[in-house]
This record gives sequence, C-alpha cells and structure tokens, in this order.
Amino acid sequence: GAVVSQHPSRVICKSGTSVKIECRSLDFQATTMFWYRQFPKQSLMLMATSNEGSKATYEQGVEKDKFLINHASLTLSTLTVTSAHPEDSSFYICSARGAFFGQGTRLTVV
Amino acid sequence: AQSVTQLGSHVSVSEGALVLLRCNYSSSVPPYLFWYVQYPNQGLQLLLKYTTGATLVKGINGFEAEFKKSETSFHLTKPSAHMSDAAEYFCAVSDRQNNDMRFGAGTRLTVKP
Repeated sequence: GAVVSQHPSRVICKSGTSVKIECRSLDFQATTMFWYRQFPKQSLMLMATSNEGSKATYEQGVEKDKFLINHASLTLSTLTVTSAHPEDSSFYICSARGAFFGQGTRLTVV
Repeated sequence: AQSVTQLGSHVSVSEGALVLLRCNYSSSVPPYLFWYVQYPNQGLQLLLKYTTGATLVKGINGFEAEFKKSETSFHLTKPSAHMSDAAEYFCAVSDRQNNDMRFGAGTRLTVKP
C-alpha cells in the first residue's frame, strides 16, 4: 500500500515558538493531503485539507493563521503550528489518498 | 455530510472470545468505510476497508467487517480475541470524491487473560 511518512514523531517546544511538521508521500503523488488532530483519549478531528498549489481548506473553528499549511509539491505537505501554546499540545496526524496515514507527531508545548 | 457513530467507548472481552465492535454510519452518498487500530502513542494502522463489491471484508490480524446498507452499519468482528488485540479502534467514513475522512469516537478494546 501507499506509504506516508511524517516527521518528526515527537517534538517538545517552548511556548511562543513555531513548530513545523512534515508529511511526505513516499511512493505516490498526492495532490491532496489531510491534517488531523487528536487529543488524549479522543478521536481524530479533521483540521484542514491541504491542496497542492493552492490554499488549504480549513475546517470550521480551526485558525488558519495559527496552523499554517503549505503543500508545495506533489509529495510534501507541511503543517506549522505558529506561536505554540500549551493548549496546542496534541497528536497531529496527516493522511494522503484518504486511507493512508503518517505515524503521527506528538507535540508538547512547555 | 458524513458521520460515524461507534457504540460503546469501551469493550472488554476474554482472550479467545468473540470481538464485536459496532459502527453505524450516516452518508448521503455511497460511502467508503474503514476500520483502523491505534496502539498507544502510535499512528493509525488500517485494518480493512470497504469501497465497492463484496460486502464482507476481510482484513489483517483475523478481523473482518460486513457492510450492511439496510442497517447503515459496518461492525468489526474477530472470532477469537488475542491479548495483542488490546488497542483503540476507530471506524471512519469518507465520501468517494473528496477522500476526507470522518472518524468515530473510538472504542477501546481490553482483552482479559
């Protein structure tokens, strides 16, 4: 099956700094990728749809200025959490082709 | 809009017993349906999916699920639970065009020795 690689798997950052998470499709091209967020013991919530060469589509309630998404190539989408705060601490997961997920990134903001 | 409801946030079975995790979906168009397993602090692993064709879908690790349109259900089963099956299970639905996926709340499966 298709392989999606997400990096880093774990990151700790200081409050107020920005963190970039990468999502790569390794053996296929993805014009669309999806970013999800998962709070502890909760389900995954779709944050945004990343579109290659155009603006991302954000779900209601997700701050586009806080969660910057860039889909600069057919194999790479990035999510940047800007000015991170402790409440942004969560598990972030990307997917491509609908069903294939990255390994996830555990973000801890201290 | 699509949605998924997983009945039972926590299911506990004995090792060797039948596993049944329930999932009902709502979709205005023919859905794609998925079951994923998630182990602590890890990503999602696809167990199985239904797209078209045979309504009984067999997946990895001995799991299977049956798409029942009349009941709008996609329940996950395994004849005999193993200790290694203890994990969180998510049912998900996507539409055939956009591929964005909507997840159920998840069911935590506990397997007792």
